[in-house]
Amino acid sequence: QQQVKQSPQSLIVQKGGISIINCAYENTAFDYFPWYQQFPGKGPALLIAIRPDVSEKKEGRFTISFNKSAKQFSLHIMDSQPGDSATYFCAASTPADDYKLSFGAGTTVTVRA
Amino acid sequence: DGGITQSPKYLFRKEGQNVTLSCEQNLNHDAMYWYRQDPGQGLRLIYYSQIVNDFQKGDIAEGYSVSREKKESFPLTVTSAQKNPTAFYLCASSMSSGSVEQFFGPGTRLTVL
Repeated sequence: QQQVKQSPQSLIVQKGGISIINCAYENTAFDYFPWYQQFPGKGPALLIAIRPDVSEKKEGRFTISFNKSAKQFSLHIMDSQPGDSATYFCAASTPADDYKLSFGAGTTVTVRA
Repeated sequence: DGGITQSPKYLFRKEGQNVTLSCEQNLNHDAMYWYRQDPGQGLRLIYYSQIVNDFQKGDIAEGYSVSREKKESFPLTVTSAQKNPTAFYLCASSMSSGSVEQFFGPGTRLTVL
């Protein structure tokens, strides 16, 4: 049973557009929410992460929005570029479980030039 | 140059054979993890180790075994008891079990023929 539900499974966006990926969770003990970026045949790399005490975090063109009451968080990729084409995973962890990561199923983003 | 190395990148084995995947890190991290990645399912935790000579089962440990005799090494053996071993295997490490950020290796793609 997946503790973090991610959608959509895939999306296609034009260069310069906005990509939005959503995740939802049930475990209110989660207190760390990272997003990982993975290129084909490579290991995931941490992209950006947020704690529940803030509602938004921005790093360059990547923004996490966090809604604690709805138990949802999302990744926005602004001004999407072909180099952003990758699979993105949301995850969550809690100190009650040694900060083991629970991953969403992943979203494959394709940016068309 | 610090990081996590996994070898080999591609591995082919006949059904019924045990196979060992290598994971080495020179980050001086205490905690290490093994994940399995299948299309559309995200990453699932197989085993993790918080300190040398100690490890715990993750969500899908059946058919796998590990050892942690040295801080920098955490090999994974896929045994013949694993019913569906063909997958992409990822090793990760973190500074300690209480550290939130995990760093991933490049992965090993195992194909069982």
